[in-house]
Amino acid sequence: GAGVSQSPSNKVTEKGKDVELRCDPISGHTALYWYRQRLGQGLEFLIYFQGNSAPDKSGLPSDRFSAERTGESVSTLTIQRTQQEDSAVYLCASSLRGVGTEAFFGQGTRLTVV
Amino acid sequence: GENVEQHPSTLSVQEGDSAVIKCTYSDSASNYFPWYKQELGKRPQLIIDIRSNVGEKKDQRIAVTLNKTAKHFSLHITETQPEDSAVYFCAARFSGSARQLTFGSGTQLTVLP
Repeated sequence: GAGVSQSPSNKVTEKGKDVELRCDPISGHTALYWYRQRLGQGLEFLIYFQGNSAPDKSGLPSDRFSAERTGESVSTLTIQRTQQEDSAVYLCASSLRGVGTEAFFGQGTRLTVV
Repeated sequence: GENVEQHPSTLSVQEGDSAVIKCTYSDSASNYFPWYKQELGKRPQLIIDIRSNVGEKKDQRIAVTLNKTAKHFSLHITETQPEDSAVYFCAARFSGSARQLTFGSGTQLTVLP
């Protein structure tokens, strides 16, 4: 597709269950970001992938959160043993490598933990 | 660690007036500063950006200024219109090994008709 695609667009899960969120970046984009946006709040950095380099995981809030990326393609964000405070929109963005390259966002996955 | 602070958190202006949003950053080696607009329920979209080797950039009613010495940058919107109402986020790309994109906390701009 032409843009960053995320799935599912909405996810309702029970507290304690694991969830997996998917991001398909724009083809050729080596950089991929995950952000969390709670209702009415800002964009909280979670993790950053750049090509084959080791990812920057410094934003992951706890060891329940993990993310993987296969080469320069799809990424999955996994949240284990979900808690109500995990409820938020999870946004993925991708960009080309380089200094002044625009990061394009997906439409996000709205996660609700009940 | 890297930090981007954004002010104000909310801003209301009359249609036709100007709006200014300011951000400061912590890493003097930062080299790229984009601004994103997020309308309600939609994804953030880039509206303007500036690199560290430039002091000002304009695109129609929107301009961004950068003061590297003071480590702050600002978004200026002139002749505001109701469709400018949205949340605006500044961001900075830090030039360390991580090179992640860190966002400010956002400004809710409301343009009153």
